Amino acid sequence: AQSVAQPEDQVNVAEGNPLTVKCTYSVSGNPYLFWYVQYPNRGLQFLLKYITGDNLVKGSYGFEAEFNKSQTSFHLKKPSALVSDSALYFCAVRGSYGGATNKLIFGTGTLLAVQP
Amino acid sequence: EADIYQTPRYLVIGTGKKITLECSQTMGHDKMYWYQQDPGMELHLIHYSYGVNSTEKGDLSSESTVSRIRTEHFPLTLESARPSHTSQYLCASSAGTGGYEQYFGPGTRLTVT
Repeated sequence: AQSVAQPEDQVNVAEGNPLTVKCTYSVSGNPYLFWYVQYPNRGLQFLLKYITGDNLVKGSYGFEAEFNKSQTSFHLKKPSALVSDSALYFCAVRGSYGGATNKLIFGTGTLLAVQP
Repeated sequence: EADIYQTPRYLVIGTGKKITLECSQTMGHDKMYWYQQDPGMELHLIHYSYGVNSTEKGDLSSESTVSRIRTEHFPLTLESARPSHTSQYLCASSAGTGGYEQYFGPGTRLTVT
């Protein structure tokens, strides 16, 4: 069965410091991996995805994510956090055998709090 | 500009009322989805659609129903609202090919009193 885990409910980081939000996955076939961000009272915004190719994927707002096949991980990173990055972050996965529905499996979310 | 829209953004309604949450997208996507999300918590897929006249129930059982008569429109209906239906409802769409990422609307926050 497909699944995705975000082991941290909350990550706290000081402004200007690097941040990492963790995600691990389990899928059939090759994984398609995604990160989304959600601000209060808003929908989810797509940040970046990994389908194939380079293991380091760059996305919106200076975020990047590193795909590690051996560790089945797809951690979200940013070199220097901003207070405005404070939000809820979701990792999502779809297996290459996901079928015609394009259904994504979402993690439980990680709340990122950046202190000034 | 291609986008996905949801109305209303906020709705407070009494128990027993019938409600319809609207979702429209101008992205030309075949696939559309409805998720239910409690505040600050994980998303649960409640309905999805492959295309016109195609709808399926999602992973979380829901008393709501959906229809897909036009590609761009995917409304969700509750025949008789109850306090347990209080939640945020998010609509999303995705293309049939390519990266498979879903694009989300701003959500409707429903409160049933």
